[in-house]
Amino acid sequence: GQNIDQPTEMTATEGAIVQINCTYQTSGFNGLFWYQQHAGEAPTFLSYNVLDGLEEKGRFSSFLSRSKGYSYLLLKELQMKDSASYLCAAMDSNYQLIWGAGTKLIIKP
Amino acid sequence: GAVVSQHPSWVICKSGTSVKIECRSLDFQATTMFWYRQFPKQSLMLMATSNEGSKATYEQGVEKDKFLINHASLTLSTLTVTSAHPEDSSFYICSAREGGQRETQYFGPGTRLLVL
Repeated sequence: GQNIDQPTEMTATEGAIVQINCTYQTSGFNGLFWYQQHAGEAPTFLSYNVLDGLEEKGRFSSFLSRSKGYSYLLLKELQMKDSASYLCAAMDSNYQLIWGAGTKLIIKP
Repeated sequence: GAVVSQHPSWVICKSGTSVKIECRSLDFQATTMFWYRQFPKQSLMLMATSNEGSKATYEQGVEKDKFLINHASLTLSTLTVTSAHPEDSSFYICSAREGGQRETQYFGPGTRLLVL
């Protein structure tokens, strides 16, 4: 079957770095997405990886290892506004997104 | 950038009534639109995929006759929740994909439905 695993909740301190891990199993693979979702709002796109390696975009970076079925989202210089749920989603061979349950990130001052 | 709108953003209705939610792509042609449902503290659940001009493909467990989807144009899809019940109360989110851009989905802001 198809499955996405990510931690349910993480806590970090303002100004610090946090890494949110995601493992996936899909029928075929066409890329790994990370989305940010604030409470009561729709998800917003953060990153897309289809090749192995690290993609950096400002304070956020995303890593992919296709052989391991593993990705992480790295957030640096955490700000209070980064408190949100972070959704990992893998795209299968039919270009359908398979969603993880999301990681709720709590930032403490 | 690509913008997707949803209307209404909030709806409260009585049990047994039908509710229509619109999803529009404002500056691109959406050949495919997706409808998701999200219950509190849970992830997005894909309900159905609709391609312009053809019948929607529903996910397992989603009742076709209860959740009517119409994708009559390249910029508009509608989801009608027929005879809504309190258990249908949820956050409904649409996303749209432009033709030829299979990796990218643009999300609407979501519609929160509360059935009393």
